[in-house]
Amino acid sequence: NAGVTQTPKFQVLKTGQSMTLQCAQDMNHNSMYWYRQDPGMGLRLIYYSASEGTTDKGEVPNGYNVSRLNKREFSLRLESAAPSQTSVYFCASSEAYGSTDTQYFGPGTRLTVL
Amino acid sequence: AQKITQTQPGMFVQEKEAVTLDCTYDTSDQSYGLFWYKQPSSGEMIFLIYQGSYDEQNATEGRYSLNFQKARKSANLVISASQLGDSAMYFCAMRGLETSYDKVIFGPGTSLSVIP
Repeated sequence: NAGVTQTPKFQVLKTGQSMTLQCAQDMNHNSMYWYRQDPGMGLRLIYYSASEGTTDKGEVPNGYNVSRLNKREFSLRLESAAPSQTSVYFCASSEAYGSTDTQYFGPGTRLTVL
Repeated sequence: AQKITQTQPGMFVQEKEAVTLDCTYDTSDQSYGLFWYKQPSSGEMIFLIYQGSYDEQNATEGRYSLNFQKARKSANLVISASQLGDSAMYFCAMRGLETSYDKVIFGPGTSLSVIP
């Protein structure tokens, strides 16, 4: 049981390059999320997916696209990377059960755009 | 729209003392959930505690308790008997369960330093 996995762990891009961040969870959760965390700041929601086949914009969606490939996988794509997208990216999944709820986070991807 | 406010950028506490980290929130939903997470310097996000808006009792998990005051829209985290390992960033988060179901947003965080 690996929980939430993210690849890659580190990435350096040049301005204008594209890349896809991969995320997978093995907890059979319906909901998945992508966040970014800039130095010294909290997490800001980029996109989320309440179930397979659905995605919704979060707080900072500009410059990103997502795909909910199946129930397990939720990918984040940067089509033309910009230095402002330098950040740590976290994927999370969750399921609310009755009176309890939590999000499980991946280890993060540290992205630098030069 | 949902919003989380954490007004204490940094806090210091003496080891073995209790500390309260403030969190206020804004939502138009009547039903929602509130979370606290810890992020140590290693970077991982660690779930601490959850409170549902209709839970009448304050949530507790070991040394962590959530002081939930619904009318004031506050969900403060209380850490009892602080330990050196509690030094970390702490984030308050909220999930609306009506108009914005599944959308979970975070506050800016509070940096806690435990002094020996």
